[in-house]
Amino acid sequence: DSGVTQTPKHLITATGQRVTLRCSPRSGDLSVYWYQQSLDQGLQFLIQYYNGEERAKGNILERFSAQQFPDLHSELNLSSLELGDSALYFCASSAGDYMNTEAFFGQGTRLTVV
Amino acid sequence: KNEVEQSPQNLTAQEGEFITINCSYSVGISALHWLQQHPGGGIVSLFMLSSGKKKHGRLIATINIQEKHSSLHITASHPRDSAVYICAVPQGGSGGGADGLTFGKGTHLIIQP
Repeated sequence: DSGVTQTPKHLITATGQRVTLRCSPRSGDLSVYWYQQSLDQGLQFLIQYYNGEERAKGNILERFSAQQFPDLHSELNLSSLELGDSALYFCASSAGDYMNTEAFFGQGTRLTVV
Repeated sequence: KNEVEQSPQNLTAQEGEFITINCSYSVGISALHWLQQHPGGGIVSLFMLSSGKKKHGRLIATINIQEKHSSLHITASHPRDSAVYICAVPQGGSGGGADGLTFGKGTHLIIQP
């Protein structure tokens, strides 16, 4: 158990809909990272938050947004969903604001858009 | 942006064999991560290293910062080692500051009994 909790584990929704994925980081970790893993693109960095503030952006679509709340949990919002958004979405946390410390990954949320 | 190359892409071996997976990256880094992903999908962090060598059980990871290369070794391999092994480095290299990871495409390892 990494200590990072993601909910839900599975999500099936229709095109055009909006969903929210939730991540609770490991106790004491201030950084939360969101990653997308699709069959054709592999693992890709989406966005990072550190202590409530956005710190780095990767290949995140404009239809996607995220936030980190005062209790440090984070939510990734995906809207106007398309078939191509079907993927595994991982959250990871680390102690610092830079990935030179060990990263702990959640079990992922498998999103299927039909 | 850092580019990560892993080899081999696929590897099938017999139980007990010594396994080596290689990772090369393009930009100098302060740390490299080795991750393991099982068929169920979950990702486990195996190592984070910035120099030299680390060992955990039958797993050994080495890194050569000058050559921008890292290897993951598995000694006395077992069918339960079957998984995807992924190398990852900070996207921006060692420049510091906030950053996410850039991942290799992974090595699909199958250990046959």
